[in-house]
Amino acid sequence: GAGVSQSPSNKVTEKGKDVELRCDPISGHTALYWYRQRLGQGLEFLIYFQGNSAPDKSGLPSDRFSAERTGESVSTLTIQRTQQEDSAVYLCASRQYYASYEQYFGPGTRLTVT
Amino acid sequence: AQTVTQSQPEMSVQEAETVTLSCTYDTSESNYYLFWYKQPPSRQMILVIRQEAYKQQNATENRFSVNFQKAAKSFSLKISDSQLGDTAMYFCAFVLMNRDDKIIFGKGTRLHILP
Repeated sequence: GAGVSQSPSNKVTEKGKDVELRCDPISGHTALYWYRQRLGQGLEFLIYFQGNSAPDKSGLPSDRFSAERTGESVSTLTIQRTQQEDSAVYLCASRQYYASYEQYFGPGTRLTVT
Repeated sequence: AQTVTQSQPEMSVQEAETVTLSCTYDTSESNYYLFWYKQPPSRQMILVIRQEAYKQQNATENRFSVNFQKAAKSFSLKISDSQLGDTAMYFCAFVLMNRDDKIIFGKGTRLHILP
């Protein structure tokens, strides 16, 4: 596709429910990143994929958070038993590994836990 | 570990003025890239400008230019003839070259362009 896409754009869920957030990277981009951005704050790194392996999971805040990636395409970020502090915008970015160092970002998913 | 510091949480300038956003970083490596990203209220992150550390010449993109001081580990962004559409959050970012590594972002500077 022309850019990184994310779905849904907005998600409202009740506390305790599980949610899945989806990211479609730019075709051919082997590296994929997930970030969390709380209201008015900077980007908090969550996890990085190179292909479908995740060499860096250091940013996942708890074992309620997990992510997977199918080959070099779609990635899903799953949050189990959501808490109100999980409310944030979740941004996905991709880049063409070693060919270019800038990351291309999707529009984000705004998650609201009520 | 690499760090990026943006010391100005928020700034306001009048339209058409020039504004400079500060960024410092810390690394013991010598080969890296630096970026400035813009995040308008639409929340879409947009790359504004990039600088390769091995290049001495400062990068420019139309009204946007950087002052890259490698020895001082400083990477400021200058916006000339500021426009209302420049209102956004600006993030300075750093990544090591040829490494399996993530981009390190600063905490951002919120820039308001006033009419």
